[in-house]
Amino acid sequence: EAGVVQSPRYKIIEKKQPVAFWCNPISGHNTLYWYLQNLGQGPELLIRYENEEAVDDSQLPKDRFSAERLKGVDSTLKIQPAELGDSAVYLCASSSELGEQYFGPGTRLTVT
Amino acid sequence: AQSVAQPEDQVNVAEGNPLTVKCTYSVSGNPYLFWYVQYPNRGLQFLLKYITGDNLVKGSYGFEAEFNKSQTSFHLKKPSALVSDSALYFCAVRDMTGFQKLVFGTGTRLLVSP
Repeated sequence: EAGVVQSPRYKIIEKKQPVAFWCNPISGHNTLYWYLQNLGQGPELLIRYENEEAVDDSQLPKDRFSAERLKGVDSTLKIQPAELGDSAVYLCASSSELGEQYFGPGTRLTVT
Repeated sequence: AQSVAQPEDQVNVAEGNPLTVKCTYSVSGNPYLFWYVQYPNRGLQFLLKYITGDNLVKGSYGFEAEFNKSQTSFHLKKPSALVSDSALYFCAVRDMTGFQKLVFGTGTRLLVSP
């Protein structure tokens, strides 16, 4: 069974530029999560989707971050414009309802 | 609000010796507790969970965890450590109020020496 797929794995951009991350969850998982992981810290939830509906986006900085999950499968997380403090690893995870979450390898973002 | 604490930034153990990675939690209501492992440049992998039932939970790769309600702890254990167990370990609790999100600890780095 294929796991959660994320791309790109690494991204280096200059501040004020836009960036987008893509996630393909495990087939059949209707719940999708985006997490932010800073160096030396545990992941922090940014947004959770149940199918195509965002059911928890309370931690998403909506002034610069946006996400979508069209058709309830793949998801895209966007930052526009990026700031230096956005440098981190962005993790995507999926689960069936509220079961165990399976994580992708993450996208390491460096903003210069 | 639900939270977990991992008091040790790093745990060092020799191969073949038993290991313990500590986790304490704070919840309102019954705790749903998890352990995840993260290898370099990889995502988190699920190890085990406690929902209800036996206090000793067995998981992947020979790991187990002991739930102790009176001490509000959920320590991760393995009888005999392997060098390949060296990784970053995260304890997490599911917030059963509101949106039921997973709240992670800050992680403990386990180093197993040959």
